Amino acid sequence: AQTVTQSQPEMSVQEAETVTLSCTYDTSESDYYLFWYKQPPSRQMILVIRQEAYKQQNATENRFSVNFQKAAKSFSLKISDSQLGDAAMYFCAYSYGQNFVFGPGTRLSVLP
Amino acid sequence: GAVVSQHPSRVICKSGTSVKIECRSLDFQATTMFWYRQFPKKSLMLMATSNEGSKATYEQGVEKDKFLINHASLTLSTLTVTSAHPEDSSFYICSARVGSKTGTSRDTQYFGPGTRLTVL
Repeated sequence: AQTVTQSQPEMSVQEAETVTLSCTYDTSESDYYLFWYKQPPSRQMILVIRQEAYKQQNATENRFSVNFQKAAKSFSLKISDSQLGDAAMYFCAYSYGQNFVFGPGTRLSVLP
Repeated sequence: GAVVSQHPSRVICKSGTSVKIECRSLDFQATTMFWYRQFPKKSLMLMATSNEGSKATYEQGVEKDKFLINHASLTLSTLTVTSAHPEDSSFYICSARVGSKTGTSRDTQYFGPGTRLTVL
């Protein structure tokens, strides 16, 4: 069974600094999708970034970028120039076919 | 694009009553919708997967007679909590996976804003 692990239950970052959230996963598939979702205090799940496993190029979305290491099954999220609005729970997720698995989440605090 | 609405956002009911939660994809067709339950400070727990026009697939441990799911159209899925009890109080979130809309990811799930259910 596929599993997603986020080893950092909580992280904090100073405003305007950079932070990296870790995610590892386990799968025997070769063509799958990986995601980072953000859940702010409103509890609305928001898609942050998406990566297709067959693409070697790391996905980027403005201040958010990923470091996708397929062989290591690692998918970390880097947030640059952190803003107060980035404070939230961040969930890493894996998708293949009908399977969609979430990690346990990392709570990110942004310090002014 | 890819907006999912969920209604109601909050509901309080008495023990023994049934509650229906609606999930709608507003600007795309969703061949597959998902229902999750989320406990405080925890990750999302998948309850069931529903495909339009067919019976839902429930995860192990989820009572299908208690949590009735209907996916009547490509834009609407409903979750009915039957004979609700206090232990059913939780935050319920639906999501929709894009169907055949050109230019969008078929594997991305888009989430509704959630429904907080409180059973007295």
